[in-house]
Order: sequence, then C-alpha cells, then structure tokens
Amino acid sequence: DIVMTQSPDSLAVSLGERATINCKSSQSVLYSSNNKNYLAWYQQKPGQPPKLLIYWASTRESGVPDRFSGSGSGTDFTLTISSLQAEDVAVYYCQQYYSTRPLFGGGTKVEIK
Amino acid sequence: QVQLVQSGAEVKKPGASVKVSCKASGYTFTSYGISWVRQAPGQGLEWMGWISAYNGNTNYAQKLQGRVTMTTDTSTSTAYMELRSLRSDDTAVYYCARDATYSSSSLDYWGQGTLVTVSS
Repeated sequence: DIVMTQSPDSLAVSLGERATINCKSSQSVLYSSNNKNYLAWYQQKPGQPPKLLIYWASTRESGVPDRFSGSGSGTDFTLTISSLQAEDVAVYYCQQYYSTRPLFGGGTKVEIK
Repeated sequence: QVQLVQSGAEVKKPGASVKVSCKASGYTFTSYGISWVRQAPGQGLEWMGWISAYNGNTNYAQKLQGRVTMTTDTSTSTAYMELRSLRSDDTAVYYCARDATYSSSSLDYWGQGTLVTVSS
C-alpha cells in the first residue's frame, strides 16, 4: 500500500494569514506516461461529508476559491490556503489514487489563532 | 445536479450484518464507479473499497476482505455496501462517493453519510 503521511496534525493561523499543509507518500504517485500526480485534497467541516478541493495535485475543483492551491510532485505535496478565512476552519485530508487501494492521509486540523 | 442519497442510521448487535444503500441521481450511473469510505468517531477517513457501476468490478480494502460486499442495481441507480460479522470498531459514519469507472480516482460527490452503531 502507498501510505500517506500528513503534517502537521493541527495548526492555528490568524485570519488573513497563510496556512500550509504537507502530505508525503511512501511511493511516488506520479504516473510517467501522462505526467500526472494522482493526488487529491479534501476539506471536511464538522458534521459534513468531505468536499473535493484539488485533484491531480494542483487542479482546483469547480467552485473552489482560488485562495486554495495545491503543489508538489512525486512524493511530496502541499496544500496552501493563501489568506485564511473563518469558513476555512476544517480538517484537510490528502488521498492518493495512484494505487488500487487509494488511501487517505491522517488529516490536518486547521483552526483560527 | 448530482446527488448521492444514503439510507438512514442503523444500530446493530455484534456479529450482525448491515447493508447501506446509496441512490444516485443527476448523472449517468453506469458511467462512473462508487467508492465507500468510513469514519470512526473522532477519527480520519478510511477507504473501504470501490465498485464499477459499469461492469460490477470491485476492489476491497485488504482488512475488510471477506466481510464486505459492494453491489449495484443499475435499474435504480443504487449502490449497496454490506458489512458482515460486525464488531464494535465498525461503529462509524459510512459514506459513498462518486468515483471513476475503471479504477479509483478523486471523489467529486459524496453522500450525506450513514451512522452505523454496533453495540450489544
């Protein structure tokens, strides 16, 4: 299995400041034949199902604010919230879909400082 | 609009089985797959498995092999997840999510979740 490790487990950021979440895979999730990273990011607010934010490591899902961005390749990935808003308080998960068992990272809780 | 509507909460005794449904609408059901993901109280997301609504192919998480069965009914655009020999650590919210047809992909639409409580 390709194991996903997120860091930090939680972070507190002031409103308007940048939040950065890291995700590392135990093997590369870059598929060489199409040069795509099989990595997605989700946001989950309390009592709600997860919401897809980013796929192919850096493509924003329709309707997702442009303050959310994804970067990285191979085994190391980052989700950045450029200017944290109150409605961004949530748990964020990465997921690889490179392998036949598309595991999630453990999650990162984002709070307001 | 795409919607996945799941069946209601269940309370089961240890050793019993549960079958959760997920009714899809707003898209061509057989052009996609369905993944099932569960979340124990206060915990992260656990991928359980995937089924192609096109041809019924399945792929299950290794730890659930032998206890889980995923099926679809294309006549009603409904996916089902049955989990047998329930244990207390199966207590979780179970989600269905739209996936790709032939293999796993990013999950763009999710059901509202079904709470399954296993308790004697």
